[in-house]
Amino acid sequence: SQQGEEDPQALSIQEGENATMNCSYKTSINNLQWYRQNSGRGLVHLILIRSNEREKHSGRLRVTLDTSKKSSSLLITASRAADTASYFCATDAGNTGKLIFGQGTTLQVKP
Amino acid sequence: DVKVTQSSRYLVKRTGEKVFLECVQDMDHENMFWYRQDPGLGLRLIYFSYDVKMKEKGDIPEGYSVSREKKERFSLILESASTNQTSMYLCASRTQGAPETQYFGPGTRLLVL
Repeated sequence: SQQGEEDPQALSIQEGENATMNCSYKTSINNLQWYRQNSGRGLVHLILIRSNEREKHSGRLRVTLDTSKKSSSLLITASRAADTASYFCATDAGNTGKLIFGQGTTLQVKP
Repeated sequence: DVKVTQSSRYLVKRTGEKVFLECVQDMDHENMFWYRQDPGLGLRLIYFSYDVKMKEKGDIPEGYSVSREKKERFSLILESASTNQTSMYLCASRTQGAPETQYFGPGTRLLVL
């Protein structure tokens, strides 16, 4: 079952602009993670935010989590052409180690 | 750095063939996972394993089986490949406990004719 739903499905921006992607989920979580996937490749972990955290930063990435709304957002600031990729949120809801992935947002950054 | 490798990047098989997809990780991770990825459906969990010789069904186990005889290796088996199993297959591993990050292999794109 798909827990995370991402919005928008696709996003196209100019280099230098900020990109915001949103993720909604349905059940209580332990943490929420964001991953990036370049075309035809495996996923790479970007950032993890725990259920008791509200905001986290890593370089040009900013993640927020609102557990009352069951939603998260990923902000990429000052985007670069190299940020072009698909971005997935994934929720960790229990002690099984399983992640449930959303369908992803495809980001295109035009030079 | 954690490294997760998959035996093939691209694979073409015929309907009815038995297909083996191999995944190896080098970080002594307890947990390993197999996903398939299809356009519009995201990643769906096929099987996962907590440790050697242990396996659990994921969301879409039908038509697949797995084997974990050694800690570093997790194999996905398509007993009789069908065209609807044409997909991108991704393997991942993680350590038990924190951090909860999963490390992914590069993927195997399987085409069943």
